[in-house]
Amino acid sequence: EAGVAQSPRYKIIEKRQSVAFWCNPISGHATLYWYQQILGQGPKLLIQFQNNGVVDDSQLPKDRFSAERLKGVDSTLKIQPAKLEDSAVYLCASSSGLGTGAQNTQYFGPGTRLTVL
Amino acid sequence: AQSVTQLDSQVPVFEEAPVELRCNYSSSVSVYLFWYVQYPNQGLQLLLKYLSGSTLVKGINGFEAEFNKSQTSFHLRKPSVHISDTAEYFCAVSPTSYDKVIFGPGTSLSVIP
Repeated sequence: EAGVAQSPRYKIIEKRQSVAFWCNPISGHATLYWYQQILGQGPKLLIQFQNNGVVDDSQLPKDRFSAERLKGVDSTLKIQPAKLEDSAVYLCASSSGLGTGAQNTQYFGPGTRLTVL
Repeated sequence: AQSVTQLDSQVPVFEEAPVELRCNYSSSVSVYLFWYVQYPNQGLQLLLKYLSGSTLVKGINGFEAEFNKSQTSFHLRKPSVHISDTAEYFCAVSPTSYDKVIFGPGTSLSVIP
């Protein structure tokens, strides 16, 4: 079974530029998550999708961050314009459905490391 | 709201020695508990989870954790570590009533040959 795919793996941009990250979840997984992991910290949930609908985006800085999952499969996270404090690893995860029981383990991709200069 | 504390940011340990990584949580509702491992330049991988039942949970790679409700702790242990266990370890909690995982700040385990 293929895992969660993310691209690019690394990205360096200057502040005020825009950037986009792509995630392809495990086939058949209905729920997709984007996390931000700042160096030395645990992952922080940015947005959660159930199929192509948003379940939770309470911690997404909506003035500069946006995300979509148009067909309920792959997803794109965009930052525009980027700030220095956006430097982090952006992790995508997927799970089979809502709930956190045995049936809903989150599987993580390798992440995209963003450096904003 | 829920929160997770991992008291040790870095834990150095010699190869084949035992290790314990500490995790405490705070929550006003029932929670599930998790430990994830992150190897360098990789995503997170689930080590083990506590949902209900026996408070001693066994996971992959010889790790185990014990849930202590009175102390609100979920410490991770391994009786004998290997070089390959060098990684970042994250404790996490999730309310049983809805799907949201809150991660702790992580503990960096360094195994010394």
